[in-house]
Amino acid sequence: DTGVSQDPRHKITKRGQNVTFRCDPISEHNRLYWYRQTLGQGPEFLTYFQNEAQLEKSRLLSDRFSAERPKGSFSTLEIQRTEQGDSAMYLCASSRTGGRITDTQYFGPGTRLTVL
Amino acid sequence: RKEVEQDPGPFNVPEGATVAFNCTYSNSASQSFFWYRQDCRKEPKLLMSVYSSGNEDGRFTAQLNRASQYISLLIRDSKLSDSATYLCVVNPGNQFYFGTGTSLTVIP
Repeated sequence: DTGVSQDPRHKITKRGQNVTFRCDPISEHNRLYWYRQTLGQGPEFLTYFQNEAQLEKSRLLSDRFSAERPKGSFSTLEIQRTEQGDSAMYLCASSRTGGRITDTQYFGPGTRLTVL
Repeated sequence: RKEVEQDPGPFNVPEGATVAFNCTYSNSASQSFFWYRQDCRKEPKLLMSVYSSGNEDGRFTAQLNRASQYISLLIRDSKLSDSATYLCVVNPGNQFYFGTGTSLTVIP
């Protein structure tokens, strides 16, 4: 399977714990995005990388959230001191710049986080 | 004002019907436009990009109206398998903004 993969698919944690999610983009894609989606809403942009550089961060991304893409390939999203309001589906997407299909995003299956 | 606004529906239509969704966006500098489909508890999947000249893919037609800042999606001859949530997406530069989605149920 050469699509976007995310791990884990589900995470249940207690309030106050730290969690880390991983995203592996499509191999030739240089852009990687993180989104959060709650029930009945569309995905909300969190941040994106072009190669290893984090180019944009949403105001939604509090100090408890951090994302990395150290080698320009996979990315991690860490949430520190989780709160119940962090419960959501965390989606990763990747895209390739240049050419006619620039910026068409392909999504991974998501990581569903439940904070108890 | 939200970057992207969609009528959440739900739209319940019989098989074979034609249904249209609209989506408005607030940033006139927006450059790229897309329609995504999302099935229940699944990730969004690209349905089609929206080009200035309009484009068609089988039963699906997408159009862009820059002057009025809206995009539309027309589905002809609806199938049961078209039941899903349809998300419009707008890219004004460095971010992608998703609408809340429009729910479609095609009824036998």
